[in-house]
Amino acid sequence: EAGVTQSPTHLIKTRGQQATLRCSPISGHTSVYWYQQALGLGLQFLLWYDEGEERNRGNFPPRFSGRQFPNYSSELNVNALELEDSALYLCASSLKGWLNGETQYFGPGTRLLVL
Amino acid sequence: AQKVTQAQTEISVVEKEDVTLDCVYETRDTTYYLFWYKQPPSGELVFLIRRNSFDEQNEISGRYSWNFQKSTSSFNFTITASQVVDSAVYFCALSDTLGGKLIFGQGTELSVKP
Repeated sequence: EAGVTQSPTHLIKTRGQQATLRCSPISGHTSVYWYQQALGLGLQFLLWYDEGEERNRGNFPPRFSGRQFPNYSSELNVNALELEDSALYLCASSLKGWLNGETQYFGPGTRLLVL
Repeated sequence: AQKVTQAQTEISVVEKEDVTLDCVYETRDTTYYLFWYKQPPSGELVFLIRRNSFDEQNEISGRYSWNFQKSTSSFNFTITASQVVDSAVYFCALSDTLGGKLIFGQGTELSVKP
């Protein structure tokens, strides 16, 4: 069974540009989560999508946004990139996010570098 | 507020040594879930274990074992007879009250030397 996939693997952008990151969940999973892992800041929750709806959002500015498509894949968009957005962005999926404590399975991540 | 603390930032051991990674959590929930993940240098988080708050039985999986103690709010992870392939960053996580997100500790970087 295929795991969570993310694309691209690496992304290099300049300040002010927009970045789009993509994630495909494990087959049968309806919930997708996004986390940011910046150097020295640990793993920070960004967004949670379930059944096409945004269910929860972390403490990030509105320029971080996303969506979930009918096939449950998801996109994370980061507008007006800043240097501090450079990080590893991890996507995870779970069977049913509304059941508290569902195991989240992670993808390999997208490394975003903002110059 | 919910919080996970992994006080050990870095641990270095020699192969075949046993090593314990500490995890202390804070929550007011009566029902909650705890997790351990492994992050090798490649970056992907690998799921190791999920434990709910009502199950305090210790668990063993091969060389890995977990000790969950509600009385001390701890969920420690022990690797027996460590191997070089165990070198990675290990994260402990707690399920959020509102559902969805995981609250991670800062991680413990384990280095196993031959």
